[in-house]
Amino acid sequence: AQKVTQAQTEISVVEKEDVTLDCVYETRDTTYYLFWYKQPPSGELVFLIRRNSFDEQNEISGRYSWNFQKSTSSFNFTITASQVVDSAVYFCALSDLYNQGGKLIFGQGTELSVKP
Amino acid sequence: GAVVSQHPSRVICKSGTSVKIECRSLDFQATTMFWYRQFPKQSLMLMATSNEGSKATYEQGVEKDKFLINHASLTLSTLTVTSAHPEDSSFYICSALNPDRGWGPQHFGDGTRLSIL
Repeated sequence: AQKVTQAQTEISVVEKEDVTLDCVYETRDTTYYLFWYKQPPSGELVFLIRRNSFDEQNEISGRYSWNFQKSTSSFNFTITASQVVDSAVYFCALSDLYNQGGKLIFGQGTELSVKP
Repeated sequence: GAVVSQHPSRVICKSGTSVKIECRSLDFQATTMFWYRQFPKQSLMLMATSNEGSKATYEQGVEKDKFLINHASLTLSTLTVTSAHPEDSSFYICSALNPDRGWGPQHFGDGTRLSIL
């Protein structure tokens, strides 16, 4: 069965600190996609990144970076120099298009609070 | 701009009322749409997969007769919560797959906050 675990329920940091959100996944499929979404208090889901199972290159986008390691089934997300606007719930998700039709399996979410 | 539109954004109604939520793909034809439910402080749980022109596929534990899904066109899927009760109060959010983008990210609507009194 597929499963995504975000062990950190809540994280609180002070502005400008770096913070890493952990994500561990389980799947028996060899072809899959991993995602990170941001959900601000207004509720909408904001897409941050998609990574396929064949691409283990780390990615950096501005203050955001992602570390994908298949050996440990992890896809961690780091925010550098955090800002108050980064406060939100962040979800890691797993998808297998071919066998599961593309539905997303979400982790429990990590609520990030960045204090000024 | 938004590529998936969900309407209404908020509904407050009395117990026993049926509520219809619409999910539209705005600039692509979505053969597959998904409906998720999120209770406060919890994760998003898939309720069902909506396929254009065929019956929806429901996840285990989701009542088909209570949550009616209709995907009558390539740009519209509707979720009807029939005879809603307070325990159905939740945040409902839809997403759509753009087949032209293959493994592209799902596009999510902005969600519907349903409150049953």
